[in-house]
Amino acid sequence: KAGVTQTPRYLIKTRGQQVTLSCSPISGHRSVSWYQQTPGQGLQFLFEYFSETQRNKGNFPGRFSGRQFSNSRSEMNVSTLELGDSALYLCASSFTLGGAEETQYFGPGTRLLVL
Amino acid sequence: AQSVTQPDIHITVSEGASLELRCNYSYGATPYLFWYVQSPGQGLQLLLKYFSGDTLVQGIKGFEAEFKRSQSSFNLRKPSVHWSDAAEYFCAVGGRGSQGNLIFGKGTKLSVKP
Repeated sequence: KAGVTQTPRYLIKTRGQQVTLSCSPISGHRSVSWYQQTPGQGLQFLFEYFSETQRNKGNFPGRFSGRQFSNSRSEMNVSTLELGDSALYLCASSFTLGGAEETQYFGPGTRLLVL
Repeated sequence: AQSVTQPDIHITVSEGASLELRCNYSYGATPYLFWYVQSPGQGLQLLLKYFSGDTLVQGIKGFEAEFKRSQSSFNLRKPSVHWSDAAEYFCAVGGRGSQGNLIFGKGTKLSVKP
């Protein structure tokens, strides 16, 4: 069974631009979570989607948004990029309800560099 | 406040030596605890998890962890480290129905000396 895939793997943008990252969960998984990883702040939860609905959101500004499609694929969007948005963005999927009792499987991440 | 503390930023051990990585958590509800490993340029791989029951849990790659509720700890151990274990290790906590919102520690980078 294929793992979680994320595209693109690397991305370079300039300040003020917007970016869209994509995540395809493991087949059959319906919950998708997004995390931001930076050297200073570590791994921080962005949001979680289940059946096309955002169920939980971390403490990030409204410039960060996401969505989930009927096939469980998810995208996250960052508008008006800032230098501090440079990070590794990780997507994780889980089978059913997405609660912590469900193991999350992580993708390889998208490394975003904002210049 | 909910948090995870990994007090050791960087640990170096010799190949074949034993390893213990420390993790302390603060969580208001019954904690579900995880250890993940991340190799350079890679995502996170689950090593083991604790939900309930036996407080000593076995994971992949010969790792184990012990949950100690009284000490709010979930330390990761391996009896004999291999060079391929060099990576960054993350402890995480979540709760029932926390809906994907895992709280991670800042990580411990493990270096292995030949």
